[in-house]
Amino acid sequence: AQSVSQHNHHVILSEAASLELGCNYSYGGTVNLFWYVQYPGQHLQLLLKYFSGDPLVKGIKGFEAEFIKSKFSFNLRKPSVQWSDTAEYFCAVSTNTGNQFYFGTGTSLTVIP
Amino acid sequence: EPEVTQTPSHQVTQMGQEVILRCVPISNHLYFYWYRQILGQKVEFLVSFYNNEISEKSEIFDDQFSVERPDGSNFTLKIRSTKLEDSAMYFCASSLPGVGYFGAGTRLSVL
Repeated sequence: AQSVSQHNHHVILSEAASLELGCNYSYGGTVNLFWYVQYPGQHLQLLLKYFSGDPLVKGIKGFEAEFIKSKFSFNLRKPSVQWSDTAEYFCAVSTNTGNQFYFGTGTSLTVIP
Repeated sequence: EPEVTQTPSHQVTQMGQEVILRCVPISNHLYFYWYRQILGQKVEFLVSFYNNEISEKSEIFDDQFSVERPDGSNFTLKIRSTKLEDSAMYFCASSLPGVGYFGAGTRLSVL
């Protein structure tokens, strides 16, 4: 069965620090990859997505992610975090054989001013 | 920007009662989903719905659960006889297919 792993459960950073959140998936076929963010009290919002093409994907609010097929990874990065980036971040995968999204357990990011 | 709306935002119910969670997906979307997130756990897939029928469901989606698209705009999740362990945040999502757009969620508290 497909699974998505997020290794960092809770990350605490100071403002201006760089961020990298890990995401690995287990599926041998073609995947679509997503990062969603959930700000406190709000719904899941799409940060960025990868379907095909350039494996380095740029999203909103200065976030980017790199798809490394050989490592089954889709890590999220941001060079300089802000206090407003405090949120829960979810990696998700969908496959071309189904129409559901498989979510990781989420990473809680706290940015200290 | 179009969004998925869910009502109510918080539903409190007694164990054994029926609840209906409501969702209005984005109007031109074709696939509809329900997910849930138990506090502190991952977001779990419940069911997907396409062309007026269930296309996939997880093992969580047992006979206590049902979905309906009664009028072409609403998409509902019914839990017939709620259990304590049904307490969770329930998210509705829709897609064209492709990117999933999620609602704000309904927090269900079963007492």
